[in-house]
Formats: sequence, C-alpha cells, structure tokens
Amino acid sequence: QQQVKQSPQSLIVQKGGISIINCAYENTAFDYFPWYQQFPGKGPALLIAIRPDVSEKKEGRFTISFNKSAKQFSLHIMDSQPGDSATYFCAASSLGGSGDKLTFGTGTRLAVRP
Amino acid sequence: NAGVTQTPKFRILKIGQSMTLQCAQDMNHNYMYWYRQDPGMGLKLIYYSVGAGITDKGEVPNGYNVSRSTTEYFPLRLELAAPSQTSVYFCASGGAVSNQPQHFGDGTRLSIL
Repeated sequence: QQQVKQSPQSLIVQKGGISIINCAYENTAFDYFPWYQQFPGKGPALLIAIRPDVSEKKEGRFTISFNKSAKQFSLHIMDSQPGDSATYFCAASSLGGSGDKLTFGTGTRLAVRP
Repeated sequence: NAGVTQTPKFRILKIGQSMTLQCAQDMNHNYMYWYRQDPGMGLKLIYYSVGAGITDKGEVPNGYNVSRSTTEYFPLRLELAAPSQTSVYFCASGGAVSNQPQHFGDGTRLSIL
C-alpha cells in the first residue's frame, strides 16, 4: 500500500526558532515530493517541492532535505514566524501521463508562539 | 484570476439524499482531482481526470461518481449520502509535470446527518 508517514502530529515553536517536520515513504516509484501549507478554511497550497535527483532544495526560509536511500524527506522552516502557523502536509507521487496522484501524509499542525 | 472554484462552501444533507459538488477551473488544466480530508487523516484521492471525457478511480471512490464533459468543470456526485461521507471535499487542477503544481479550491464542508 502506498503510504507516506508524517511526524510530528503537532509542533509548537518559538518565534525565530527552527520548525522541522519529517516524512517517510515506502513506494520507490515516487519521484515528486511536494510540501503543502494549509490555513484554516482554505485549501492546501504548494509551498516547495523536490525531485529525488537532488538532496536539498531551499526557497527563502523553507528547505526540503531528501534522503533517497532512507526514503525520508523533511521540511525545515528557519526563523519561524507567527504567520507560519498552519497545517503542513507532505506528499508524494509518480509523475506521468496517468495523472499526478498525490499520496498525502496525515499533516502537522504548527503553532509559532510570538 | 479565480483559479479553482468550489460550490457550495457548506452543506448539510440527510442520510440517503443526493447532491453534486461543483468544481470549476479557469487555468485550462487537463488534470483535475477530487480529494476528501478527514481530521488527522490527510487528504485521500477520490477520483481524477486527465482530460475531458476521461476519468478514473482514486484511493476511495466508493459512494461517489464523477463526470468530465469539458476541460473547465469536474463535478462530484454523491448518490445516497451516508454519515461516513461527512468530510471536507477539495477539488484540484494541474500537476503531472514537475513545474506545474496542483492548485486547490477552498473546499466544500459536507455534513451528513
């Protein structure tokens, strides 16, 4: 069964701290690993994504670290801000003509304390 | 720039009733998807479509039907509503290429009582 396991379920970080969310996958056919951010009452929005040919991708304060041999990837949020308080989902898929069928993790609710 | 629009935003149904959740996108995306989101469970794929006239089942299709007659619209049909279908439903479009992410609507919150 295609699964993506995400931890922790919830996370509280002080303003300026580093938030780290971890995910592990089973299906070695996955070749696209996005992270989505979701605010209450809104749909998920793409935050950052990585392909398995690189081990790290950074966009501003957000970094994905990818370990292909361990089948794990993680999101690091540097200098966390109260505005980052949201639910974060990791996901994985196999890109191709049959569609981009994302398998999502169960989500991490992040609260950044001022 | 509307993106993905879902209607209605909220709905309460009685057991056994039927309804259609509407989804429209204005980005000319071929790929469209329906997900359901339950507390602590992430999002699960219900159905998806790779183009007008082509649909296929996702992970949790039972109790739902879809159609895709045009590129823009991808409605989701519940024929006999059951309490287990109480959820938040998200429509998305895009994806299938690495530089084209899936864009999500803001969801339909559905309660079956």
